Amino acid sequence: GAGVSQSPSNKVTEKGKDVELRCDPISGHTALYWYRQSLGQGLEFLIYFQGNSAPDKSGLPSDRFSAERTGGSVSTLTIQRTQQEDSAVYLCASWTKNTGELFFGEGSRLTVL
Amino acid sequence: AQSVTQLGSHVSVSEGALVLLRCNYSSSVPPYLFWYVQYPNQGLQLLLKYTTGATLVKGINGFEAEFKKSETSFHLTKPSAHMSDAAEYFCAVSPSGYQKVTFGTGTKLQVIP
Repeated sequence: GAGVSQSPSNKVTEKGKDVELRCDPISGHTALYWYRQSLGQGLEFLIYFQGNSAPDKSGLPSDRFSAERTGGSVSTLTIQRTQQEDSAVYLCASWTKNTGELFFGEGSRLTVL
Repeated sequence: AQSVTQLGSHVSVSEGALVLLRCNYSSSVPPYLFWYVQYPNQGLQLLLKYTTGATLVKGINGFEAEFKKSETSFHLTKPSAHMSDAAEYFCAVSPSGYQKVTFGTGTKLQVIP
């Protein structure tokens, strides 16, 4: 597609359930980033990928959070045993050396009840 | 390590007045610096970026920013605010294009008619 695609756009889940959030980056973009946006907290870095490897996953809040990227393309962010404090908008962005900018998706809004 | 500080979570200006949004950064290496904008109910998009070369960079919609190494600053300005400039603005830093991009907490700009 022309832009970064994220799914689902909205997810409501119960505390304790697992969720998967998907990001489909712009074709050919080698780097992929995940951020979390909470009210008043700005953009919190979670993890980034170069190809399929993650040089920096220091932003993952706990071991309940994990992410993978396959085929240098699609990435999945998994949150296990969700908690209410996980409620936020999860943003994905892809990056290309050609322009040196991040292209963001519309985000996945997660609500944990 | 790198970090970004945006002074003022909310800024109000009158239509036609100067817009000044402040950003200070810390970086152990020469930084790449960015300003992104998020309009209401929209995704983030790049306003402008500094990588190397000219320290005054111009972006879209009449915005510009100046990289001042001695002050570790990258403030965003626009000579005359327009109602359509109302949005949230994020400053970001990266040691290079291919590494972690750290965002500030954002500044919401309100334009008063």
